[in-house]
Amino acid sequence: QKEVEQNSGPLSVPEGAIASLNCTYSDRGSQSFFWYRQYSGKSPELIMFIYSNGDKEDGRFTAQLNKASQYVSLLIRDSQPSDSATYLCAPRRTASKLTFGTGTRLQVTL
Amino acid sequence: DADVTQTPRNRITKTGKRIMLECSQTKGHDRMYWYRQDPGLGLRLIYYSFDVKDINKGEISDGYSVSRQAQAKFSLSLESAIPNQTALYFCATSDPNSGQGETQYFGPGTRLLVL
Repeated sequence: QKEVEQNSGPLSVPEGAIASLNCTYSDRGSQSFFWYRQYSGKSPELIMFIYSNGDKEDGRFTAQLNKASQYVSLLIRDSQPSDSATYLCAPRRTASKLTFGTGTRLQVTL
Repeated sequence: DADVTQTPRNRITKTGKRIMLECSQTKGHDRMYWYRQDPGLGLRLIYYSFDVKDINKGEISDGYSVSRQAQAKFSLSLESAIPNQTALYFCATSDPNSGQGETQYFGPGTRLLVL
């Protein structure tokens, strides 16, 4: 079992729709969870982090965490073409180390 | 603007050559990391350093070495490059006292091709 699992996609959503990106993780010791966005050929950039069960909202983005189910998700409301990118889920275990999933590629269509 | 920079941005080398990738940061962060990214495999940690005297192996350190010359500089060396080290390499930094969940900030990456 992979430590972090994400559907590689592509996930295709029409402009203005809600995109739902999912991530499961195997290490119950994971304390906090990061979502990074990566455009093709570019470096990852932080979208959000979450460490408490429940929802955390920031603008059009909402992160949802369920530690009992070992599941974290990212919702993007009112999806825009500029949201087309690969989204990386990264739980943090100990000693500041992140374990990255392979990412879900999102395509927002006009 | 505080930043993470990597040099070179692109490099082509031959099997058996020694090469060095360099990372510099002006963020004032103590913690620095080296990752490689391969298609389908995601980002994997090669080495990390919590300060100048604290360097640790990551999950895929074989064939690599590092040097932390100063708080702001962290270099990655491939002692004898081989083709399966062809990848996109990222440097990252973090500050455990930042209050932002210790976000890691990434440099622009170095694209390495080993022939």
